[in-house]
Amino acid sequence: DVKVTQSSRYLVKRTGEKVFLECVQDMDHENMFWYRQDPGLGLRLIYFSYDVKMKEKGDIPEGYSVSREKKERFSLILESASTNQTSMYLCASSFNSNINTEAFFGQGTRLTVV
Amino acid sequence: AQSVTQLGSHVSVSEGALVLLRCNYSSSVPPYLFWYVQYPNQGLQLLLKYTTGATLVKGINGFEAEFKKSETSFHLTKPSAHMSDAAEYFCAVSGEDTGRRALTFGSGTRLQVQP
Repeated sequence: DVKVTQSSRYLVKRTGEKVFLECVQDMDHENMFWYRQDPGLGLRLIYFSYDVKMKEKGDIPEGYSVSREKKERFSLILESASTNQTSMYLCASSFNSNINTEAFFGQGTRLTVV
Repeated sequence: AQSVTQLGSHVSVSEGALVLLRCNYSSSVPPYLFWYVQYPNQGLQLLLKYTTGATLVKGINGFEAEFKKSETSFHLTKPSAHMSDAAEYFCAVSGEDTGRRALTFGSGTRLQVQP
């Protein structure tokens, strides 16, 4: 079974803190993604990576950065957390195939910024 | 850019009734389409997918969906709802913006099943 593991289920951080969300996958997938989930908005893509050290902006990259130093690990960084970044964050991974873009998701991290 | 519209943010059915969740998409390339389910406090789990071939796709838990190119639709159905089907459902299309690497999701439909 594919496993995508997010390091925390729940996080509470203060405004202005630097926040790291970690994600690890064990299926040797090339692609990794960070999505943000908000009620009524569905999932929105923040950043994705298709190879080590490669990253591409998604639809809502402002206020976020990412790091991919190893193939299995993809980190989302909130440089200076703000209350409008309170949300559910979902990590996903997939093979780099143009006929099968099925993504496998982690359990999510619910981040509250106070 | 591709997009997905899910009609109805909340759908309520009785146990044993037909489930119909609607999804329409737009894409400038032949679409790859997906339905995911999310149970409370969980990540997303793939229900079914359409890439090429047969337009009627069967998935897990008795769900199926039909790709209709002329209607740009990919509606999800299940003949008989079960209490355990209560969850949030997301339709998604592979993104030509990202070389089909990332998925673009709809806003979701929360399914409630009444006893």
